Order: sequence, then C-alpha cells, then structure tokens
Amino acid sequence: EIVLTQSPATLSLSPGERATLSCRANQSVSNFLAWYRQKPGQSPRLLIYDTSNRATGIPSRFSGSGSGTDFTLTISSLEPEDFAIYYCHQRSTWPPKDIFGRGTRLDIK
Amino acid sequence: EVQLVESGGGLVKPGGSLRLSCAASGFIFSDYNMNWVRQAPGKGLEWVSSISSGHSIYYADSVQGRFTISRDNAKNSLYLQMNDLRDDDSALYYCTKDAWVAAHFFDHWGQGSLVTVSS
Repeated sequence: EIVLTQSPATLSLSPGERATLSCRANQSVSNFLAWYRQKPGQSPRLLIYDTSNRATGIPSRFSGSGSGTDFTLTISSLEPEDFAIYYCHQRSTWPPKDIFGRGTRLDIK
Repeated sequence: EVQLVESGGGLVKPGGSLRLSCAASGFIFSDYNMNWVRQAPGKGLEWVSSISSGHSIYYADSVQGRFTISRDNAKNSLYLQMNDLRDDDSALYYCTKDAWVAAHFFDHWGQGSLVTVSS
C-alpha cells in the first residue's frame, strides 16, 4: 500500500521567501501526483496536477517537480495568502484508492 | 461555473445512520467520476469513496461495509449513505469531482457537510 510522507510537518517562513515542500512515497508511483492548498476555514484548492502542471488560475510562483518516490512543491516568493496547509495526493490504480499525505503547515515566521 | 453543494450532515448517535447529498451544477454530471473525502476536526484529508461515470465503486477500508456511495445522474446528485456510524466517522465530508475522464486528481471541492457522531 502506498503511503505519502510530507515534510516538514511545519515550515515557518517570511513573506517573500522561497518555500520547498516535500512529498515522498514508500514505493515508486506514477507521475499522477497532485498538490492542494487549504486555507483556514476553507475547502482545499487544487494547485498542481500530474506532478508539474499548474491548475487553472494558479500563479506562476507555484511549481511542482519530481518523479519516482520524491516530489516537491516550490513556492518561489511567499504571499500572505500562501500561509496555509498543503497536501499531496496520489491515486493508486490497484487497489483503487486515493491517498493523501498528512500535510505541511506553512506558518508566518 | 462548477458548484458542489453538500447537505444532510448533523448530529447522530453511535450506531446511527445518516445520508449525505451533493448537488452538482455547471458541468455534465454523468460524464465525471465523483468522490467523497472527509476531514476530522483539526486533522488531514482522508479519501472515503469514489463512483465512476460508469458506476464502478470503491471504498476506503475504514468504511467498507458500512457506507454506500451512489449517484443519480437525472438529478445531478451524489449520495453517501452512512450506517453503523462510529465516533471516528465525525468529520467534515467533502464532495469532490475528478477533473476529467481518467484524471487522477480533484479539480473541484464542495464546502463540506459536518457529521458529528456522539452519544
């Protein structure tokens, strides 16, 4: 069974800084890896799909990369609205199920 | 504009039942795989169940045998029948939509329906 481990659990940075969030799988997975941002009190919002594709309306400061077992979400210059929780997500084909990482909380330093 | 609106949540005793609904609009509902994802208070996201456009159905191990997902394409609606509810089923339940056929991610989420299981 696929397990996604996100690190760090909490990341404290200042606006304007660069953020690097990691999502590691316990076995090699397809490149169908997505990232979501969840602001307090809101539903998650899709940021990145298929490892590196930005979703509609997502600014260019968000980028995704990786392959195999290691994936990264990078935010090049943090805006105030980016301080939130980020989840990675992968869909396994067998057994058919969706898996989420436990999230990385991005806090204002 | 895509909209997913959940309803049907509430307070229920352990062992009780509840039926969640998700009213969809802004897209051709019958063409898309739909899902339920839940989030316990202060916790992360947990996938619950999926139903494909062709009515293939999948469940998380934690709800298998207790929850039933269904859809009514004529009513543009998704449902989750929850039986034998437990304390750890308490969560905000989101309705989500796959982005397209054979997509592996959710492009839209509802606002959620809160289920509280407590005696």
